[in-house]
Amino acid sequence: DAGVIQSPRHEVTEMGQEVTLRCKPISGHDYLFWYRQTMMRGLELLIYFNNNVPIDDSGMPEDRFSAKMPNASFSTLKIQPSEPRDSAVYFCASSLSVGTVGGYTFGSGTRLTVV
Amino acid sequence: QQQVKQSPQSLIVQKGGIPIINCAYENTAFDYFPWYQQFPGKGPALLIAIRPDVSEKKEGRFTISFNKSAKQFSLHIMDSQPGDSATYFCAASTRGGTALIFGKGTTLSVSS
Repeated sequence: DAGVIQSPRHEVTEMGQEVTLRCKPISGHDYLFWYRQTMMRGLELLIYFNNNVPIDDSGMPEDRFSAKMPNASFSTLKIQPSEPRDSAVYFCASSLSVGTVGGYTFGSGTRLTVV
Repeated sequence: QQQVKQSPQSLIVQKGGIPIINCAYENTAFDYFPWYQQFPGKGPALLIAIRPDVSEKKEGRFTISFNKSAKQFSLHIMDSQPGDSATYFCAASTRGGTALIFGKGTTLSVSS
C-alpha cells in the first residue's frame, strides 16, 4: 500500500481565497482524521470520520472550515475564506480503530501558507 | 480538548546518552498511551505504545514507563544515536471513542 496520500504538498494562497486539501486513506481503514500542526499549538484534532460519517468535529475552528468524506477512499478539508492565521501543516491520518491498537498512519502533510 | 502535557519542549544529548521525555494527563478514562516520532517534512509515525495495566514496555532501545497513580508516562531512549534526532509526541485516547490527543512535542537533537 502507498500509505496515506495527501495533496498538494505545499499551498500558497492569498487571504480570502478558498483552499481545498485532499486525502486518500489506506484501503480498509475505517477511520480518517484531520489534524493541524503549528509551533504554538502542536498537533490539534480538527475532525474525524468513521465509515465516511463525521463523528467528532469539535476541533474545527469555525464555520470557515468544512470537511467531507464522500467515499471510503477520499476526503477533503476546505477553508473558505482563508486567513493568515490558518497557515499551518495539515495532516490526514487513517486507522483501523479510533484510539486503540494499530496506531494512526499519517500522510506527509500539506503545508499551507496564507499571505 | 482534554490535555496531555509534555516536557521538555526541546532536548539536546550526546550520542550514547539517555534522553527522557515526560508526559502528564488528567483524564483517568484514558487507556491507551502511544508515542509518535516525526522527522522533518514527514508525518508522525507510531513508535511504541502502552496500556495502563503494565508499568513498563520496551521495544529495542525505546522504553515507556507508566505511573498510573501519578497519571504520568515517559519515553526513554537508550544509547541514543544521531538518527534519533526528531520530534517526539506523546498521546492518549480512550477505548470508548476519543481520538488521539497529542502533547505539544519535544524536539530531540542527538549530537555525534
